[in-house]
Amino acid sequence: EIVVTQSPATLSVSPGERATLSCRASQSVSSNLAWYQQKPGRAPRLLIYGESSRAAGIPARFSGSGTGTEFTLTISSLQSEDFAVYYCQQYNSWPLTFGGGTKVEIK
Amino acid sequence: EVQLLESGGDLIQPGGSLRLSCAASGFVFSTYAMSWVRQAPGKGLEWVSSISGSGDTTYYADSVKGRFTISRDNFKHTLYLQMLSLRAEDTAVYYCARDLQPSRPPGLPFDYWGQGTWVPVSA
Repeated sequence: EIVVTQSPATLSVSPGERATLSCRASQSVSSNLAWYQQKPGRAPRLLIYGESSRAAGIPARFSGSGTGTEFTLTISSLQSEDFAVYYCQQYNSWPLTFGGGTKVEIK
Repeated sequence: EVQLLESGGDLIQPGGSLRLSCAASGFVFSTYAMSWVRQAPGKGLEWVSSISGSGDTTYYADSVKGRFTISRDNFKHTLYLQMLSLRAEDTAVYYCARDLQPSRPPGLPFDYWGQGTWVPVSA
């Protein structure tokens, strides 16, 4: 099983600032990594897949990078609606696995 | 508009059984692989099971293998999760989710999710 580790667990950021979230896989997942956003009481929403492709309707301030075992989600200028928990997920091999999440909170 | 609507969640005792359903609309259901993902209270996301569009290929997390069965009825546009021998650690919100692209084997990111159904397992 591929273990996916996210850091930091919590990120405190001021509105308008840049946020950088990290995701590491225990073995290479090529570019088969996705990022999701989840707000309290809501279902997750797909943001980024295939390393850097944005899902439909996702603003350009969200971007992804990385390949192999190291990945980054960047939110270029945090808006109020971006404060949430973010998960990465590898879909390179079974079982599909998620990271533990990074909570982005208001500083 | 794509919609996924889960149902069937209920308080169940340890050792009990439950069947969850996910009614799909707004897309050609039979062409998409589908999955169940769960989230225990205050915890992260855990993939549970996936099924191909035709229903002939299935995958399970080790934590549920042998106890849960995923299936689908493409005529009724409905996904199911039959859960047996439930344990306290199965307590979670269960989401159904659609794979990103049609006519592909299971194992893509999930682009649409239902609102979830709550399954508490407790005596």
